[in-house]
Amino acid sequence: AQSVTQLDSQVPVFEEAPVELRCNYSSSVSVYLFWYVQYPNQGLQLLLKYLSGSTLVKGINGFEAEFNKSQTSFHLRKPSVHISDTAEYFCAVSVANQAGTALIFGKGTTLSVSS
Amino acid sequence: GAVVSQHPSWVICKSGTSVKIECRSLDFQATTMFWYRQFPKQSLMLMATSNEGSKATYEQGVEKDKFLINHASLTLSTLTVTSAHPEDSSFYICSAKKGDRGIEQYFGPGTRLTVT
Repeated sequence: AQSVTQLDSQVPVFEEAPVELRCNYSSSVSVYLFWYVQYPNQGLQLLLKYLSGSTLVKGINGFEAEFNKSQTSFHLRKPSVHISDTAEYFCAVSVANQAGTALIFGKGTTLSVSS
Repeated sequence: GAVVSQHPSWVICKSGTSVKIECRSLDFQATTMFWYRQFPKQSLMLMATSNEGSKATYEQGVEKDKFLINHASLTLSTLTVTSAHPEDSSFYICSAKKGDRGIEQYFGPGTRLTVT
């Protein structure tokens, strides 16, 4: 069975600092990996996804993530954060080649950006 | 685009009553839709997978007679919380996949249910 571990429940940073949100997954088969952002009282917005190909994935709002198969990780990074990046971030996994499978989410990481 | 809407966005109901939440894919056909539940400050937990024209597949621990899911068309799935209790208060989020082989899920904005 697949599982997702987000190693940090809260990450406080100052504006314009770099940030990394860590995500590790567990799966015995190939997976697709996703990062979503959730603002208060809203649904989820896709930041980026890894399906295949290049292990460095660039997403919206200046975020990027790197798929590391040997370390089963998919850490999210941004070189310089803004106040507006304050939100909840979820890492998720689904089984490759199974279109009907649902996403398994990590517990989330709260990113708090202060000035 | 791939837009998913939910209605209502916020609902308050009395204990013992039923409430229906709609999830619509506005600009694509969704063979498969998913319903998630999210408690405050927690992650999304999958409740059920809904396939158009067939019965929903519920996750372990989710009462299918309490959370009725209907996926009558390729653009609409509904979740009905029957005989609601205060512990059913939560944020319910749906998602949809495009076509039969879609990988990415598109999420609705969520519905906040408060049972008094």
